[in-house]
Amino acid sequence: GAVVSQHPSWVICKSGTSVKIECRSLDFQATTMFWYRQFPKQSLMLMATSNEGSKATYEQGVEKDKFLINHASLTLSTLTVTSAHPEDSSFYICSARALGQETQYFGPGTRLLVL
Amino acid sequence: EDQVTQSPEALRLQEGESSSLNCSYTVSGLRGLFWYRQDPGKGPEFLFTLYSAGEEKEKERLKATLTKKESFLHITAPKPEDSATYLCAVLNAGNNRKLIWGLGTSLGVNP
Repeated sequence: GAVVSQHPSWVICKSGTSVKIECRSLDFQATTMFWYRQFPKQSLMLMATSNEGSKATYEQGVEKDKFLINHASLTLSTLTVTSAHPEDSSFYICSARALGQETQYFGPGTRLLVL
Repeated sequence: EDQVTQSPEALRLQEGESSSLNCSYTVSGLRGLFWYRQDPGKGPEFLFTLYSAGEEKEKERLKATLTKKESFLHITAPKPEDSATYLCAVLNAGNNRKLIWGLGTSLGVNP
């Protein structure tokens, strides 16, 4: 149980284009989903928290107009990197948490490379 | 300030050589302590959640324990497939409920 998927696992795009990453909870309802970014040899950095049906809460320093988050259902959240630039290249990981629970379950991650 | 420190930063063991990883924390009210395993290029895989001092949980060769200041992840008779980075995170009792992460311990197990 508690499986979270992400799609795509790998994406390469040109500078200036937008990229959408999907995060799905496959066997439970995720009232809260989180988006993280991880740089090599570093720990996870929380970008934003989203509750189903509500606007996402972004961490300080994260541009909400650049990283658009939608959490329209209890099993799906999307992260759209708009007008991507090479500095947005990173490993993006989502996690999901069920109502009343504390444990976050993570997806396998999406590697983004912006050329 | 809430903080999580993991030690050692890296550890190399021979197959079968048991050891422990440490996670020390300072947090204003512990709501939960979490252990995850992360393989290169993958998202963290959930291992354990501990909620109160004295609590212990086991899964195969792994056992996690918790005190008021720290948690240990004991690895008994490790195998090469246990090689990974082990991450510790704590959840504070404040309103923001954000996970506070340690930097991880990179474990390598030689056959």
